[in-house]
Amino acid sequence: KAGVTQTPRYLIKTRGQQVTLSCSPISGHRSVSWYQQTPGQGLQFLFEYFSETQRNKGNFPGRFSGRQFSNSRSEMNVSTLELGDSALYLCASSYLGGTNSPLHFGNGTRLTVT
Amino acid sequence: DQQVKQNSPSLSVQEGRISILNCDYTNSMFDYFLWYKKYPAEGPTFLISISSIKDKNEDGRFTVFLNKSAKHLSLHIVPSQPGDSAVYFCAASPNSGYALNFGKGTSLLVTP
Repeated sequence: KAGVTQTPRYLIKTRGQQVTLSCSPISGHRSVSWYQQTPGQGLQFLFEYFSETQRNKGNFPGRFSGRQFSNSRSEMNVSTLELGDSALYLCASSYLGGTNSPLHFGNGTRLTVT
Repeated sequence: DQQVKQNSPSLSVQEGRISILNCDYTNSMFDYFLWYKKYPAEGPTFLISISSIKDKNEDGRFTVFLNKSAKHLSLHIVPSQPGDSAVYFCAASPNSGYALNFGKGTSLLVTP
């Protein structure tokens, strides 16, 4: 089974721009979560989608948004980029989400905002 | 507000010895706990989990211990191997939750 695929692996953007990151979950997995990893804050939960519906959202500003398609693939969007948005963005999938389904992470998209 | 804390940023252990990684949490609603391992340039990989109804869970060389009264869990790796060198993240969630709260990680170095 192929793992979680995130594209692109690296991205450089300028302050004020917007960016879209993509995630393809493991086949059969219907839950997709997004996490931001920074040296100072560690891994922080952004949001979780299941069957195209956002079930849970972390404490991030509205500039961070996401969506999930009918094939379970997911995208996250960050608008009006700030320097502090530079981070590793990790996508994770699981069969149903919740505590009975451990997350399987992709290798992440490294976003640098200049 | 960091609800899951890993107070040791790094740990160095000799090959063959026991590695003990510690984690504390503050939220009494947490009742499901996991450990993830992360190599550079890769995403975290699930290692082992424990529910609050247990105080110990074993999987091969890895054992997780949970002390609910102290809000403390630990991961024991016996025997440690050089391939275990990685960053280890502790994570927790309420049983009905979909979001994991992660610690900041402990970098383990196993030396030959």
